[in-house]
Amino acid sequence: AQSVTQPDIHITVSEGASLELRCNYSYGATPYLFWYVQSPGQGLQLLLKYFSGDTLVQGIKGFEAEFKRSQSSFNLRKPSVHWSDAAEYFCAVGGSRDDKIIFGKGTRLHILP
Amino acid sequence: NAGVTQTPKFQVLKTGQSMTLQCAQDMNHNSMYWYRQDPGMGLRLIYYSASEGTTDKGEVPNGYNVSRLNKREFSLRLESAAPSQTSVYFCASSVWGASADTQYFGPGTRLTVL
Repeated sequence: AQSVTQPDIHITVSEGASLELRCNYSYGATPYLFWYVQSPGQGLQLLLKYFSGDTLVQGIKGFEAEFKRSQSSFNLRKPSVHWSDAAEYFCAVGGSRDDKIIFGKGTRLHILP
Repeated sequence: NAGVTQTPKFQVLKTGQSMTLQCAQDMNHNSMYWYRQDPGMGLRLIYYSASEGTTDKGEVPNGYNVSRLNKREFSLRLESAAPSQTSVYFCASSVWGASADTQYFGPGTRLTVL
């Protein structure tokens, strides 16, 4: 069965600093990988997704993620964070075997002014 | 185009009461999903419907039932609510499947069971 680990429950960065959120997955075949963001009291919004091809994926709001098969990782990055990026971020994995995706437990991002 | 809508937004129940959470999408999507979100647990899939007329269990189906009324609507029913079902419930839809497609989420229903 697939699984997702987000090792950091909370991350705090200063506004303007770079960001990297970690995601490790387990899946027995080629994974489909997603990053979602959830602002307080809101639903989830897709930031980016990886299905195949170029392992560096560009998303909305200036985010990018890199798929590294050898490390089973799909880390999310942003070169310079803005106060509006404060939210909870979820990594998710799906695949070709069934119609389910599994979410990680999330990383809450705090931004210092 | 409202996307995915959910009703109600908030609900308080007593243990043993029943209720139905409603979800509708106007994007002509085939697949619909119900998740629950609990602090520190991420989102967990309760049930999903790959197409009209079909439903399947997810990770945590016990205590819930679903109905795919038509292509637009997917309801979640709690027959006898328990405090462990206190959670935020999200409905989602996608064109043809969550595993390789974008899911669009509703705003959520916050349910408290006393």
